[in-house]
Amino acid sequence: KAGVTQTPRYLIKTRGQQVTLSCSPISGHRSVSWYQQTPGQGLQFLFEYFSETQRNKGNFPGRFSGRQFSNSRSEMNVSTLELGDSALYLCASSLTKAGAEETQYFGPGTRLLVL
Amino acid sequence: QKEVEQNSGPLSVPEGAIASLNCTYSDRVSQSFFWYRQYSGKSPELIMSIYSNGDKEDGRFTAQLNKASQYVSLLIRDSQPSDSATYLCAVRGSARQLTFGSGTQLTVLP
Repeated sequence: KAGVTQTPRYLIKTRGQQVTLSCSPISGHRSVSWYQQTPGQGLQFLFEYFSETQRNKGNFPGRFSGRQFSNSRSEMNVSTLELGDSALYLCASSLTKAGAEETQYFGPGTRLLVL
Repeated sequence: QKEVEQNSGPLSVPEGAIASLNCTYSDRVSQSFFWYRQYSGKSPELIMSIYSNGDKEDGRFTAQLNKASQYVSLLIRDSQPSDSATYLCAVRGSARQLTFGSGTQLTVLP
């Protein structure tokens, strides 16, 4: 079974631009979570989507948004990029099935550099 | 107080030794606990999950959970240089989302 895929893998943007990252979950997984990882703050939760609805949200400004499509693929968008948005953005998918252990599996990440 | 705390390390052990990684959490109603391994420049990779008090063994890895003490640990027996990585403790609490510790960097010396 194919794992979680993320595109693009690397991205360079300048301040003020916006960016859209994409995540395809493991086949059959309906939940997608997004995380930001930086050396200083570690892994921080951005949001979770399930059945096209945002189910949970972390403490990030409104510049960070996301969505999920009917095929469970998800995108996250960051508008008005700041230097501090430079990070590894990780997507994780989980099965979310009643009675099943909900374990998250991570994609390879998108490394974003904001200049 | 951080929600999930790990001994930051770095931790160095000789090859063949037991590496012990510790994690404490603050949310008393947490039910699910995970250990991930992250190699430099890579994404986190699940090693083990544990949900009940006690020990859970998988090969050279043993996770230990004590909910009363709000403590979870990971033991790596017969440590190998390939085990050198950052180990992340993750906890699913009342908010449903996974909260990660800052990670413990482990180096296994040949």
